Parts: sequence; C-alpha cells; structure tokens
Amino acid sequence: SQQGEEDPQALSIQEGENATMNCSYKTSINNLQWYRQNSGRGLVHLILIRSNEREKHSGRLRVTLDTSKKSSSLLITASRAADTASYFCATDGLGNNAGNMLTFGGGTRLMVKP
Amino acid sequence: DTEVTQTPKHLVMGMTNKKSLKCEQHMGHRAMYWYKQKAKKPPELMFVYSYEKLSINESVPSRFSPECPNSSLLNLHLHALQPEDSALYLCASSPRGYGRTTDTQYFGPGTRLTVL
Repeated sequence: SQQGEEDPQALSIQEGENATMNCSYKTSINNLQWYRQNSGRGLVHLILIRSNEREKHSGRLRVTLDTSKKSSSLLITASRAADTASYFCATDGLGNNAGNMLTFGGGTRLMVKP
Repeated sequence: DTEVTQTPKHLVMGMTNKKSLKCEQHMGHRAMYWYKQKAKKPPELMFVYSYEKLSINESVPSRFSPECPNSSLLNLHLHALQPEDSALYLCASSPRGYGRTTDTQYFGPGTRLTVL
C-alpha cells in the first residue's frame, strides 16, 4: 500500500531554477529516503534522513524532515536538464522487522527545460 | 562490482507461457527484493528475501513464484500471467538482512514485461 503522498505530481522548471518536492506520510518512521528514477529505468538512491534529523545536505540536494507534521521536502538547487526524472520518497515503518520494508510515495515528475 | 543486474531487459509473453526473470548482485548484500511498477506509479513491493529465505510475500498471486538459489541470485518465475501483469519488474538489494535498521536499496534497471 502507498504510505506517502507527493506534491506536486508534476513540476516543470527552467534550468538554473530550484525545484522543491514535498512528501507526506501517515505512520511513524525510522527514516525517510529519496530516490530518483529516469524514465523506465531503475531507482537510484539520493539521500537518507533519520527520524531524529531535521535537515540533510548532499551536493545540490537539501532534504528536510518534520516528524510532527509527518512530512519531508527535497530541494534541488540550480537545476540542470539532466535532473529531469521522477523523484520518490520512501519510508520504512517502526516496529519489529519493519526495517528495510520501504513504502514509496506517489512520486513527482520533474522536467527541467534547457 | 557495485551494481544489480537484471535479465532480460524486455520480455513479451503469452498468457500460457512460462518464463523467468533473473536478478544478480555481487555486493555481498543479504536482502533482495522484487518490486512491480506500473506506468506513472511508484514501485510496489512483492517479495523480500533475507539470507536466502523468503521473509515477506505481499499477497502476491501464485502465478508469480520467487526463488533465491544463492546469496547473489534472485529469480522470479512467471506462469499463466494476465495482461494486467504487464509492468516494469524491479529487483533491488540491500546490505543487511530484513528486520534490521533500514538500508539504502540498490536497484537494477528492471525488466519491462508485456503479457499478450
């Protein structure tokens, strides 16, 4: 079942602009991950943020996590045409044997125009 | 070797055929996964193998039969599929066995399956 909802479903921006994607989830989590998927290909892990972290950076990526609101955001700064892809958040649940069982959000399709 | 490979890349089969999808990783990962992904939808978990044993079956129909012959290899046997089973089938692996702290999952490129 789908745990997370992503917003917006689709986003179109010009190269050089920033792109922000949001993810909301329903149950308590250990951590939240963001993945990227180029059209019809496998997913690539971007970043993992733990439930006790509020913000994390990796290159042009900035992820925030608000566990009180059960939401996360992914910011891509200075976007490039090569960033065109679908972006998914994924959560795992708390509890015994819940680790490694990821539930993906609906995804945001990002198009960056040159 | 830091990748997950999947074969074939594309597969077209009839509803009476039997076929298999193959996934391989040589990273020493102890958990392997099968996901199904329909167009413009997120991946949906089908099976989880941990230490070569089936840990999770997400109520997948029996026409999908997973197999883990060894720690590097994961197969998905297909039989009597329906057209609605057409999708991208993704394999993934992660370093530690299921039930431990969440790991990054490493995905293969997928097999695009079409059932006629």
